[in-house]
Amino acid sequence: SQQGEEDPQALSIQEGENATMNCSYKTSINNLQWYRQNSGRGLVHLILIRSNEREKHSGRLRVTLDTSKKSSSLLITASRAADTASYFCAQNYGQNFVFGPGTRLSVLP
Amino acid sequence: GAVVSQHPSWVICKSGTSVKIECRSLDFQATTMFWYRQFPKQSLMLMATSNEGSKATYEQGVEKDKFLINHASLTLSTLTVTSAHPEDSSFYICSARNLTSSYNSPLHFGNGTRLTVT
Repeated sequence: SQQGEEDPQALSIQEGENATMNCSYKTSINNLQWYRQNSGRGLVHLILIRSNEREKHSGRLRVTLDTSKKSSSLLITASRAADTASYFCAQNYGQNFVFGPGTRLSVLP
Repeated sequence: GAVVSQHPSWVICKSGTSVKIECRSLDFQATTMFWYRQFPKQSLMLMATSNEGSKATYEQGVEKDKFLINHASLTLSTLTVTSAHPEDSSFYICSARNLTSSYNSPLHFGNGTRLTVT
């Protein structure tokens, strides 16, 4: 299996707190991507970090990448109830993507 | 831009019938579309890669005669679940890659189809 791992599987925090999700992958990458999925909906691309980048920001999102450990993390700062969703990391595998198992984030108002 | 429309959003059918799900790229052309299946609280499982004008490539364990994929144009791929059974009940999602994008580029997803087979 090419699928990596994500932790935690589920995370529940209070509004205003920061949420950190981690992803580990198995093979070398060109880039790693993070997606968000609201319940019962499709996935939305959040951010892409290239293999030669260590950190990237987009609004309240901060992604880090450690290629030596084959791991990445997604930090959502000052979380809002609307951030409640599942978050998946994804790596290229040929022309396809392999998605991690995801982290289910619940932000409580 | 980069909108993918998936239809229907939900469908209930009787066991033994066939169901067709459409995936359309509305504002871009897609030579490649992907079909996934997702079980509750789990990740996406790639079923097949749909290539315009050629046969789909199925992942190991996915029955090509049961899950028929047609990609007749650069903006439309269809997945037909034939002779559906209750165990086919699931959430099916498509994604598309822009014709002008590289393999590394982000994918654009439809909103999924909830299939319930009774």
